[in-house]
Amino acid sequence: SQTIHQWPATLVQPVGSPLSLECTVEGTSNPNLYWYRQAAGRGLQLLFYSVGIGQISSEVPQNLSASRPQDRQFILSSKKLLLSDSGFYLCAWTGGPQETQYFGPGTRLLVL
Amino acid sequence: QKEVEQNSGPLSVPEGAIASLNCTYSDRGSQSFFWYRQYSGKSPELIMFIYSNGDKEDGRFTAQLNKASQYVSLLIRDSQPSDSATYLCAVIGGAQKLVFGQGTRLTINP
Repeated sequence: SQTIHQWPATLVQPVGSPLSLECTVEGTSNPNLYWYRQAAGRGLQLLFYSVGIGQISSEVPQNLSASRPQDRQFILSSKKLLLSDSGFYLCAWTGGPQETQYFGPGTRLLVL
Repeated sequence: QKEVEQNSGPLSVPEGAIASLNCTYSDRGSQSFFWYRQYSGKSPELIMFIYSNGDKEDGRFTAQLNKASQYVSLLIRDSQPSDSATYLCAVIGGAQKLVFGQGTRLTINP
């Protein structure tokens, strides 16, 4: 069966520091992968999606970037974090009927 | 107009009653519709999807789709306190991207 992992689970970072969040998927090949952010009490905002290695589409202009160095690995990065980058970061993959998206456990980021 | 709209709630329902959650969408060409449940501090988990007009039942959950009215709903029968969560409606719109509503917070009162 398919499994999606994210780490770290929780992160507290100072403003201006770099960021690297990792997502890996097991049990499937060539998945579509997604990064979402959910601010406190808000809906899900799609940040990036990828249909294959090295293929990244950005949905929202920001100081974040994404990379897909391997088929089942998706990385979210920033060179300098802002206070507004705080939130719950979710990785998802698409599979099964009707392009269903399945979410990882998420990373809670607090920028101070 | 938002692409996917939900009443943010909170919606309060007594235990054992039917909870009714509603969602409207703006893209008439949308084909697939999803309901996710998100407990506080956790990631969303899929409850069910629907793509044909009418009802789809899975245990205590029933999804209803009316494409003419651009309306999708989720009914939860025999509501339990464990059903208390935020329910997210999602629609596959243009460019095959999943668009989420803001979510409805549901509270089941014992």
